[in-house]
Amino acid sequence: DSGVTQTPKHLITATGQRVTLRCSPRSGDLSVYWYQQSLDQGLQFLIQYYNGEERAKGNILERFSAQQFPDLHSELNLSSLELGDSALYFCASSVEQGSNEQFFGPGTRLTVL
Amino acid sequence: GQQLNQSPQSMFIQEGEDVSMNCTSSSIFNTWLWYKQDPGEGPVLLIALYKAGELTSNGRLTAQFGITRKDSFLNISASIPSDVGIYFCAGQISGSARQLTFGSGTQLTVLP
Repeated sequence: DSGVTQTPKHLITATGQRVTLRCSPRSGDLSVYWYQQSLDQGLQFLIQYYNGEERAKGNILERFSAQQFPDLHSELNLSSLELGDSALYFCASSVEQGSNEQFFGPGTRLTVL
Repeated sequence: GQQLNQSPQSMFIQEGEDVSMNCTSSSIFNTWLWYKQDPGEGPVLLIALYKAGELTSNGRLTAQFGITRKDSFLNISASIPSDVGIYFCAGQISGSARQLTFGSGTQLTVLP
């Protein structure tokens, strides 16, 4: 158990819908990262937040957005969903200072029908 | 952007054999990390490397940070059935952003 929690574990929805994925980082970690894992693209970095502020953006679509709340939990919002958005979405957290090690949650499997 | 080439893509080995996999990058990384992912689970950190030339062990696992800072390898000695899974390398550049760039993974199958 990495200490990072993600909910829900599975999500099935239809095209055009909007969903929210939730992540709670390890106790004491200030940074949260979101990654997408699909069969054809592997693990791709989406976005990073540090202590409530956006720190870096990767290959994140404009239909996707995220935020980190004062209690440090984070949410990833996916809207106007398309079939190709079906993937595993992982959240990772790190202390940010010193160690660069990131610890991953169990992921949310999103299926868009 | 950074590209990580991980090889081999898959391996089938006999229990008890040693395994080696590696990653090469088109860019210099300041940190190399090795993760293992079981089906339906998140990647689990195995080893972290922070200095060029660094050799680090974690039980039967040994990883090295290449001198050029553009490559890393992972060795698993005396493989056992629970070593089955996908192994990913990940690199990290310096700077304020600390996102990881992942290799495409090595699928390891251990035959009894």
